[in-house]
Amino acid sequence: ETGVTQTPRHLVMGMTNKKSLKCEQHLGHNAMYWYKQSAKKPLELMFVYSLEERVENNSVPSRFSPECPNSSHLFLHLHTLQPEDSALYLCASSQGPSSTDTQYFGPGTRLTVL
Amino acid sequence: AQSVSQHNHHVILSEAASLELGCNYSYGGTVNLFWYVQYPGQHLQLLLKYFSGDPLVKGIKGFEAEFIKSKFSFNLRKPSVQWSDTAEYFCAVKGKSNTGKLIFGQGTTLQVKP
Repeated sequence: ETGVTQTPRHLVMGMTNKKSLKCEQHLGHNAMYWYKQSAKKPLELMFVYSLEERVENNSVPSRFSPECPNSSHLFLHLHTLQPEDSALYLCASSQGPSSTDTQYFGPGTRLTVL
Repeated sequence: AQSVSQHNHHVILSEAASLELGCNYSYGGTVNLFWYVQYPGQHLQLLLKYFSGDPLVKGIKGFEAEFIKSKFSFNLRKPSVQWSDTAEYFCAVKGKSNTGKLIFGQGTTLQVKP
């Protein structure tokens, strides 16, 4: 299934680097999400966008900066990350942000911060 | 605090055995409930969901789950597992009045021996 794609699939970066994660959804959805999945911890919601407007920022540090230029694309810009930021970053999309809208997930980007 | 607890972190079964994975949630309000599955090397996908009505819901691949409101539980069941059910299973809740925010449990890894 290629409804939600993410690039790159793997990323290794130093603490002083700047990089971006990209997510694209081909489902005609209006809401997009970033989640973080750390080892032995539940998935944590980071950001929610609805119609390109951020509707939720779940107390995420400013070294993570999301961007949603249109309803099909979502970026996560990374700068001055810490080793504890190493995790799997998942993108998801849904028809809308309501509680009954099913979220469809991408394969994730495995990020390692050295 | 809002949380989801999955009691079993790792379950090993033989083919044809019955499966029940526990999920309990803590949430100050009415919720929608979900089970997601992640097969090896694949992305998260929806297994089943409950919004209202009959508390016994059926999903794909013979899975079902029962919502017991008094116990704040949404356990996943399958009468007879197959080797292809080997995967990680995640329970999640979303408040009916909460825009987009899915709260996940830690996940249960199911290993089915052929």
